[in-house]
Amino acid sequence: DIQMTQSPASLSASLEEIVTITCQASQDIGNWLAWYQQKPGKSPQLLIYGATSLADGVPSRFSGSRSGTQYSLKISRLQVEDPGIYYCLQGYSAPYTFGAGTKLELK
Amino acid sequence: EVQLVESGGGLVQPGRSLKLSCAASGFTFSNYYMAWVRQAPTKGLEWVASITNSGGSTYYRDSVKGRFTISRDNAKSTLYLQMDSLRSEDTATYYCTREGNFNYGSPDYWGQGVMVTVSS
Repeated sequence: DIQMTQSPASLSASLEEIVTITCQASQDIGNWLAWYQQKPGKSPQLLIYGATSLADGVPSRFSGSRSGTQYSLKISRLQVEDPGIYYCLQGYSAPYTFGAGTKLELK
Repeated sequence: EVQLVESGGGLVQPGRSLKLSCAASGFTFSNYYMAWVRQAPTKGLEWVASITNSGGSTYYRDSVKGRFTISRDNAKSTLYLQMDSLRSEDTATYYCTREGNFNYGSPDYWGQGVMVTVSS
């Protein structure tokens, strides 16, 4: 199975700050990587697919990048509505695996 | 508007069965792969099973293989998850998801989730 190591587990950041979350894949998954945001009591929302493509309706302050088997989600200017838990997901091969999640809070 | 509405959850004893349903609307159901993803209380997300658009192929995580069966009825635009021999570790909120066609198969729409509690 492909392991997705996500870091950090939690972080606290201020409004307008730049935030970066990373996922390391245990093997090559190409661009088969998505990012999700989940708010308390809600279903996850797709933010990024194909490692770098912004999903419909997602603000442009969110962006994804890839360097080899390391993937990053960047929030360029943290807004009040951005706290939540962020997950990466590899869709390269079954069993599809999520990262453990990053809990993002406002400082 | 795409909608996925799960039903069928509840409290069930270990070893018993439960069948979840997901009614889809707002898109051509038969054109999309579908999947179930679950989340144990206070835990992260876990992919459970996927099914191709025709229903001809299915995929499962090892821990549910042989106990869970994913299926679909394209005429009714409904996805199912038959869960047999339930264990306490199956306790979770189960989400029905649509896998996108042009986005590397990433689940792009999620239902509101249905809770399954396995306990005596």
